[in-house]
Amino acid sequence: AQTVTQSQPEMSVQEAETVTLSCTYDTSENNYYLFWYKQPPSRQMILVIRQEAYKQQNATENRFSVNFQKAAKSFSLKISDSQLGDTAMYFCAFGGLAGAGSYQLTFGKGTKLSVIP
Amino acid sequence: DTAVSQTPKYLVTQMGNDKSIKCEQNLGHDTMYWYKQDSKKFLKIMFSYNNKELIINETVPNRFSPKSPDKAHLNLHINSLELGDSAVYFCASSQALLPLTGPGDDEQFFGPGTRLTVL
Repeated sequence: AQTVTQSQPEMSVQEAETVTLSCTYDTSENNYYLFWYKQPPSRQMILVIRQEAYKQQNATENRFSVNFQKAAKSFSLKISDSQLGDTAMYFCAFGGLAGAGSYQLTFGKGTKLSVIP
Repeated sequence: DTAVSQTPKYLVTQMGNDKSIKCEQNLGHDTMYWYKQDSKKFLKIMFSYNNKELIINETVPNRFSPKSPDKAHLNLHINSLELGDSAVYFCASSQALLPLTGPGDDEQFFGPGTRLTVL
């Protein structure tokens, strides 16, 4: 079974600064997918960024980028130029093989990020 | 247009009652999921259906019964509600069947959640 660990329950960052959220995972699979989801106070789950494990290049989406270290099983999220709207819970998720050829997501426990004006 | 919708958004009920939460997706996806998010915000998968067939059934009390009348709908029925069932329940959908056939097939789209409170 896969496990996902987010070791920072809460973090804060000044507006316009950069913050990095950490995530590690454990798996015996070679092909899998990694995700960061954002859950603002509205409760909606929003995909922030994804990474395919077979790709060596780190994914980037505007101000969001990841540092994917496959050998270390590490998948951190960097948020540059933090904005007030980035305040949310951030969940790291592992997408791996489940039954009948589909896959399932395993989530970490989340990091609550507060952006301070 | 709402991609994944759930009704109701809030549900307050007494212990022992039976209730249902409905989920619909208009994305043409083949796979749908139910997740439970507890008071500590931990998200855990409960069920996964592919094209109306149950794929994943995590360790969930049999008071919880998913029903998929067609591949666009996955409803969650809960019998004999208990205090510990209070949580936010999320429905999600994806195209995810391995091998994935295109970029983005792995993405799960979440509904807005249903906050269930059992008194």
